[in-house]
Amino acid sequence: RKEVEQDPGPFNVPEGATVAFNCTYSNSASQSFFWYRQDCRKEPKLLMSVYSSGNEDGRFTAQLNRASQYISLLIRDSKLSDSATYLCVVNEGGGADGLTFGKGTHLIIQP
Amino acid sequence: DTAVSQTPKYLVTQMGNDKSIKCEQNLGHDTMYWYKQDSKKFLKIMFSYNNKELIINETVPNRFSPKSPDKAHLNLHINSLELGDSAVYFCASARGNYGYTFGSGTRLTVV
Repeated sequence: RKEVEQDPGPFNVPEGATVAFNCTYSNSASQSFFWYRQDCRKEPKLLMSVYSSGNEDGRFTAQLNRASQYISLLIRDSKLSDSATYLCVVNEGGGADGLTFGKGTHLIIQP
Repeated sequence: DTAVSQTPKYLVTQMGNDKSIKCEQNLGHDTMYWYKQDSKKFLKIMFSYNNKELIINETVPNRFSPKSPDKAHLNLHINSLELGDSAVYFCASARGNYGYTFGSGTRLTVV
């Protein structure tokens, strides 16, 4: 099982700022890509899937670069409620293979 | 209705004991998983089952034995608990590459 690397942070960012996270994955055969959000003492929850064409969901934009094996997440106009750990997640094969998680980037939005 | 439910939520036990964690999903998913999140917050897959058949066993000590009586249930039995087994254990289910849903976790503390 290959690796997913991301900067653990913490990122301390003022409310309203734009913040970007990156991650890299080592298995070039990986098939699907996600960002998950995990709040303290809670389960991970899907934030968004990531596609090569780039995709946006409100203030969140995700991008995948298969050639560089690089995934990014951009949060615009950050809110206090965005404070959480953001997990870069890769599915290396079929559904039963499970997900490979990065260690997460801890984001703290400050008022 | 909770989609993926696991019990107990908290489990405190002494070294050497045997304990079980139960998981049930009502989503009609074919694949279920156990993940472990250690003190450094790193989420790693332990097992996956597809239609009651073991698909993945990720170098987990054989003190850990998953059991799937039907495709809606995946239980985890742990023998001879050790201090290093203290972690949060998450059950999850999925259909294909998408639609992963996690339970709320079982926080196991071995003393």
